[in-house]
Amino acid sequence: GAGVSQSPSNKVTEKGKDVELRCDPISGHTALYWYRQSLGQGLEFLIYFQGNSAPDKSGLPSDRFSAERTGGSVSTLTIQRTQQEDSAVYLCASSLAGGRGQETQYFGPGTRLLVL
Amino acid sequence: AQTVTQSQPEMSVQEAETVTLSCTYDTSESDYYLFWYKQPPSRQMILVIRQEAYKQQNATENRFSVNFQKAAKSFSLKISDSQLGDAAMYFCAYRGDNDMRFGAGTRLTVKP
Repeated sequence: GAGVSQSPSNKVTEKGKDVELRCDPISGHTALYWYRQSLGQGLEFLIYFQGNSAPDKSGLPSDRFSAERTGGSVSTLTIQRTQQEDSAVYLCASSLAGGRGQETQYFGPGTRLLVL
Repeated sequence: AQTVTQSQPEMSVQEAETVTLSCTYDTSESDYYLFWYKQPPSRQMILVIRQEAYKQQNATENRFSVNFQKAAKSFSLKISDSQLGDAAMYFCAYRGDNDMRFGAGTRLTVKP
C-alpha cells in the first residue's frame, strides 16, 4: 500500500510569507507526527495527533506554527510570517495507533523549506 | 524530558566488516520502546529495528542487531557484513509514555 506522502517536496519562500505543508498518512493510521530537521541535525518533535484527541502541541517552537488534521487523516502544518531560521526539512510520520505498543512510525519523504 | 545521546557523529566501516553504533538515553520510565532509523541521502527515514524495553532478548533483523543494556540505558546497533547501501545517517529514538525523542544521528560511511 501507499506510504506517507508529503507535499510539496521543496518550497522556497520569502521571509514574512506564510507557508502550508501537507501530509497524507498511511490509510488507517490514527497517529500523526510532525518533526523538523535542521541541516545536519536530528529530529525535533513539533506536534502529535492521536485520533480525535486534542493534539500534543508541546514541541511547536512559536505561535507562528500551527497544525490541523482534518477528518482524522490529512494534516497541514502552517508557518506564518516565516523567518530564515524556519528553513529546514519538515518530516511527517504516522503510526497505527498512539499507544506505545503500536509505536513504529513510518515517515514521509519530507518537505524541504527554504526561507530567503 | 528524556534525552537520547549518540556520541559518534561519524563512523566508517569497510565493506563486509562489522560496525557498532552507540546510543544512550536517559529516562525514569520502566516501559518504553527504542528504535534505530536509517536516513539515506534521499532523506526517507526507514525503520531498521525496534526493541521493547520489557523484553530482555536483543532484537535482530537480518544483518542488524542491537545490544540492549537496560540498566546501563544503552542501545547500540550492530551492522554485520556491511554493504555500500548501508551508508546513511542513523538515528536512535526513544518512545516513552509522553514523548518521542531522537538522537542527533551518526553518519555511517561504507568504504568499498
